Amino acid sequence: KNEVEQSPQNLTAQEGEFITINCSYSVGISALHWLQQHPGGGIVSLFMLSSGKKKHGRLIATINIQEKHSSLHITASHPRDSAVYICAVRRNNAGNMLTFGGGTRLMVKP
Amino acid sequence: SAVISQKPSRDICQRGTSLTIQCQVDSQVTMMFWYRQQPGQSLTLIATANQGSEATYESGFVIDKFPISRPNLTFSTLTVSNMSPEDSSIYLCSVSRQGAYEQFFGPGTRLTVL
Repeated sequence: KNEVEQSPQNLTAQEGEFITINCSYSVGISALHWLQQHPGGGIVSLFMLSSGKKKHGRLIATINIQEKHSSLHITASHPRDSAVYICAVRRNNAGNMLTFGGGTRLMVKP
Repeated sequence: SAVISQKPSRDICQRGTSLTIQCQVDSQVTMMFWYRQQPGQSLTLIATANQGSEATYESGFVIDKFPISRPNLTFSTLTVSNMSPEDSSIYLCSVSRQGAYEQFFGPGTRLTVL
């Protein structure tokens, strides 16, 4: 079993829909990252969380440390949100190294 | 934050040749990492580039295949040696600062080996 599991693997939505991507992990962590990868390959860091909730524009990320679970929400989705969203955790005592989930491929249709 | 550039952005190479990928950061950083992302897969850490000393490689990756240099705190190179089609991947440089959890990624180098 992978240490970081994401669901769903693929997601298709209509423009305007509310989207949720989930991430569960099985190890102790010091931080969790949500990353966005566009088709060109470059990766953008969306959020880094160690507790609670963060919001940036239409994106919201939450984490429940006790349940070892995080969610990324996109409100009023738009075709430009189409990308692969990757959850990555920084394990305790692993320095700055990240362990990655398999990614969720999101397509938002107009 | 840190702005990272990689060269080349993409390349198509012949089997048996080698390619060197450059990673340049706009400010001094403590940690530099090289990742590989094979088609349809998530990222896998190849190695941590250490300034002034040999890189630290993850299991399954060796220096002869992926030699890494890091001459200073803003620059690193990764060479993919004696390439085969299985090396076709996106190679990403990533940086962070000691004691800071934030990690920044470069735009990636998309490599195709024929």
